[in-house]
Amino acid sequence: GENVEQHPSTLSVQEGDSAVIKCTYSDSASNYFPWYKQELGKGPQLIIDIRSNVGEKKDQRIAVTLNKTAKHFSLHITETQPEDSAVYFCAASKSNYQLIWGAGTKLIIKP
Amino acid sequence: ETGVTQTPRHLVMGMTNKKSLKCEQHLGHNAMYWYKQSAKKPLELMFVYNFKEQTENNSVPSRFSPECPNSSHLFLHLHTLQPEDSALYLCASSQEPVGSTDTQYFGPGTRLTVL
Repeated sequence: GENVEQHPSTLSVQEGDSAVIKCTYSDSASNYFPWYKQELGKGPQLIIDIRSNVGEKKDQRIAVTLNKTAKHFSLHITETQPEDSAVYFCAASKSNYQLIWGAGTKLIIKP
Repeated sequence: ETGVTQTPRHLVMGMTNKKSLKCEQHLGHNAMYWYKQSAKKPLELMFVYNFKEQTENNSVPSRFSPECPNSSHLFLHLHTLQPEDSALYLCASSQEPVGSTDTQYFGPGTRLTVL
């Protein structure tokens, strides 16, 4: 069935450095790719998303890139700060409500 | 806050107990969801309601029984659970119903422990 693989499962970076999280999806018909951030004790919250007609999208320090041919997409966080520490989830969807989720990446920002 | 509240935040129950989880959204959304979140696993969609009608049941065991009395409230009734049902149960809502890629807004979850 459809699945989304997410790597790495844990990522530790020095404050101020960049972090990159990668996801690969299996269904070539997928056309919507959101990224959610989950802080301790909270539910996931959407931080950025991209649709298949766009190759890259930026919002301040975060950006997402999409390679439809290779069926993978990535989250880039620049100038990381302590508040970026959280679990990040990627997901893929075919224009329906059912998101297929990755297993999550725990991002640790070292001071 | 996201506008989606869940109660209780923590629940410990025995395998023979009956309990209910409650979710309320204050966003005027039309769709509501129940997810199960286990450690280091993808979120598992359990149930979807659009305009109070259940439109998805992802092969969830009958010991989980959802109820959606109106577009703002969603319940998950639990009975005779198993220890492997211990997890974080998340409720979410979205403005648009089936067929949309609308943003889902999540509550903080109920941490369930089955003894």
